[in-house]
Order: sequence, then C-alpha cells, then structure tokens
Amino acid sequence: GAVVSQHPSWVICKSGTSVKIECRSLDFQATTMFWYRQFPKQSLMLMATSNEGSKATYEQGVEKDKFLINHASLTLSTLTVTSAHPEDSSFYICSGRIASGNQPQHFGDGTRLSIL
Amino acid sequence: SQKIEQNSEALNIQEGKTATLTCNYTNYSPAYLQWYRQDPGRGPVFLLLIRENEKEKRKERLKVTFDTTLKQSLFHITASQPADSATYLCALDSLGNQGGKLIFGQGTELSVKP
Repeated sequence: GAVVSQHPSWVICKSGTSVKIECRSLDFQATTMFWYRQFPKQSLMLMATSNEGSKATYEQGVEKDKFLINHASLTLSTLTVTSAHPEDSSFYICSGRIASGNQPQHFGDGTRLSIL
Repeated sequence: SQKIEQNSEALNIQEGKTATLTCNYTNYSPAYLQWYRQDPGRGPVFLLLIRENEKEKRKERLKVTFDTTLKQSLFHITASQPADSATYLCALDSLGNQGGKLIFGQGTELSVKP
C-alpha cells in the first residue's frame, strides 16, 4: 500500500521550455505532498510543501514563480518548472503523507530533468 | 541551525555481517526519526520510524536505536545480503514539527559483498 506514482520519469528539453511533473497517490489520500530536488551524491532538499486546496509553502531560496505547484485534489499534485534553464537540471522527487503528525512520507520514483 | 550527519564514507561489508549506520544531529531535539532506503535513480522507501520516547525498534533484520542524550540514531542490518546494498537516509522532523517537514541526512552508501 501507499504507492505514489510520478510522471514522467525522465524528460529532456530545450532551455526556455516549461515542464510539468505529476505526482499521484494511487491508493491513499495525501493530505500533504512534498516536492524535493536531489543533486548527485547529495541529500534530498525540500522545495515546497503543499496541502490540498491551499497555496504551497516554499522553502527559503526557492522561487515560487519559477516552480509552480498545484495540489488540486487529495491524490494529485503537479510541479511546473517554468522557463527551465540548464541549472534547473536535477532529480525531482515528490512524496505524499496520509495524515498529519508522526507519519512517514511515501515517495514517487522521481523525475530526471535535463535541460539542454 | 539544525544539522544532520551520517557516515560520510561508503560502508563496505561482507555478506552475513551486521551493517551499522550512524546518524548524528545537533541543535535541536526531534520528536521522531525515520530511516529510508534509496536505490540509484529511485525515490526513497520508508523503512522505520522511531519516536523520542522509544529506545529501540525492530523490523525483521532491521534495528534502529534512538539516543536523545547522545543525539544519535544507529541503524543495524543483521545477516546482511547483497540485496541490502543501497543508500540509507535518516530523516528528522523539522524544528517545531512545521507541517511534518523532514530534514534528511546526506545518506550512507552501503555495499554488501557476496
């Protein structure tokens, strides 16, 4: 149980393109979803926290106008990287959590984004 | 600021031995701590959660300890197998449990040789 599907798994696109990544909780309702970025050999860095029906809360240093997050339902959150540039190339991972409190997060398999 | 440190170097052990991974933290007192496994190119998979009032927790061949005095958690894999080879991440709830955010360590890469 607690499966999170992330799509696409990888994408290559030209600089200036906007890219949308979907994160779906398949068998549970995710009250909260998180978006992370991970560079090679480094830890997960939280970008933003989103609760269904609310605006996302972004971490310090993350541009909310560049990384648009929509959490329209309890099973779907999207991250749109607008006007992507090579420095945005990274591994983006989402996670969902069933309820508040001391609950684990369930992760998608990530999206490898490469901007040429 | 909150800081989490895991074994900085990769850990190489022989099959059948016990692997012990360390997670140290400073500058705050988390209410709970979690361990995840991450394979290359994949998202992390939840393994165990231990609360501040629990000293030890077990799940099959896995054991986690949580010493709030030392500000340290140890993660043990007994009777290790090559399939246990992966990167293991510890994660702590952020200061004041702000919406359940987790702060992750940089991970320890474990390699189990047959």
